[in-house]
Amino acid sequence: NAGVIQTPRHKVTGKGQEATLWCEPISGHSAVFWYRQTIVQGLEFLTYFRNQAPIDDSGMPKERFSAQMPNQSHSTLKIQSTQPQDSAVYLCASSLGGASAETLYFGSGTRLTVL
Amino acid sequence: QQQVRQSPQSLTVWEGETAILNCSYEDSTFDYFPWYHQFPGESPALLIAIRPVSNKKEDGRFTIFFNKREKKFSLHIADSQPGDSATYFCGCSSFSKLVFGQGTSLSVVP
Repeated sequence: NAGVIQTPRHKVTGKGQEATLWCEPISGHSAVFWYRQTIVQGLEFLTYFRNQAPIDDSGMPKERFSAQMPNQSHSTLKIQSTQPQDSAVYLCASSLGGASAETLYFGSGTRLTVL
Repeated sequence: QQQVRQSPQSLTVWEGETAILNCSYEDSTFDYFPWYHQFPGESPALLIAIRPVSNKKEDGRFTIFFNKREKKFSLHIADSQPGDSATYFCGCSSFSKLVFGQGTSLSVVP
């Protein structure tokens, strides 16, 4: 079991460019979560999917951010017109069924730097 | 997202002492309270968790104390070791959505 796989590990974009981050959950896990980590804010919840359906996107900035899960083996987080304040580590996590008390298994993250 | 407040932001203790990390929340629908730890260069990983039916959960040197009335819980790390140095995040979950506090950076000095 390779764990949650996130690609790329590092991404540098210019202000105004688009960034797409990829996540492959653990095989057999039906829930996928996205978080953003910064020193100031800590771990911020962005959105999560269960059985590929979006369940809660209350943490997503309403403009420029979108997430999809087109199939059970991967999810994407897209940031349009990136801004310097989007610089952070974006973490993807998966859990077995999405129940409240389940353990989240995190990927290694994608460090996004917006110049 | 200020639903979960964590303190202190950083903590330094001597080896062998007990480290105490605190967390408070506002939403009464939260029903699961985990602590995750994150070592430098690594991803967060589950350390220990509690349900509100209990007011204490122990796992070796790690203990969660939970106060439902005051909406507070804490992580006590007994006999702290240098290997415990990490960032600790408290979490609160309801309807499967897990939100975290801002984190506590713990340093254990030999």
